Amino acid sequence: EVQLVESGGGLVQPGRSLRLSCAASGFTFDDYAMHWVRQAPGKGLEWVSGISWNSGSIGYADSVKGRFTISRDNAKNSLYLQMNSLRAEDTALYYCAKADGGSIAIAWFDPWGQGTLVTVSS
Amino acid sequence: NFMLTQPHSVSESPGKTVTISCTRGSGNIASSYVQWYQQRPGSAPTTVIYEDNQRPSGVPDRFSGSIDSSSNSASLTISGLKTEDEADYYCQSYDSSNPGVFGGGTKLTVL
Repeated sequence: EVQLVESGGGLVQPGRSLRLSCAASGFTFDDYAMHWVRQAPGKGLEWVSGISWNSGSIGYADSVKGRFTISRDNAKNSLYLQMNSLRAEDTALYYCAKADGGSIAIAWFDPWGQGTLVTVSS
Repeated sequence: NFMLTQPHSVSESPGKTVTISCTRGSGNIASSYVQWYQQRPGSAPTTVIYEDNQRPSGVPDRFSGSIDSSSNSASLTISGLKTEDEADYYCQSYDSSNPGVFGGGTKLTVL
């Protein structure tokens, strides 16, 4: 069974940093691209970032470009999101999601983890 | 970047059929696949349709997807509505610069 378990969320002050992790199991991790998708409280889904199977292709939403960095460690079956210069509008539930192939260009997200909550507030 | 527009909410009675639309604002709807996700309260999204009209294993055949180039839109149709179908539904597609373009979501009420 494919499992994705996010961690690292919490309450952080504006301007500070946080690093999210996603532990993957049940599939050959280094065959697939991975993505982060977030959902602000009571709002819809927003794609944040994606990384190809070999980290050769990476993409970011304009809203986080220059502040967030996605990475992966295939040896540890893990995905990461380094979030710097956090803003109140980054407050959201952050989901890790597996892509349907190795490229980030053609994206179907399945499955999703249960999410980790990031709250940016002073 | 393009936008996907969904109705904010729809409602229908148990046993009936409902269709949720997803209109692409620019570019051809057929140029990239459309996916549909179901999100029940307090849960992560799950796929009900992928690649325009494909159902993952375990999704009942009451769920179907289609695209219509004339209206540049995709549709999710749920027949034989059950109370358990009550959820938020999101369409999603992509282009070369943005792997994840989501619609704003549609709240389905089964009353």
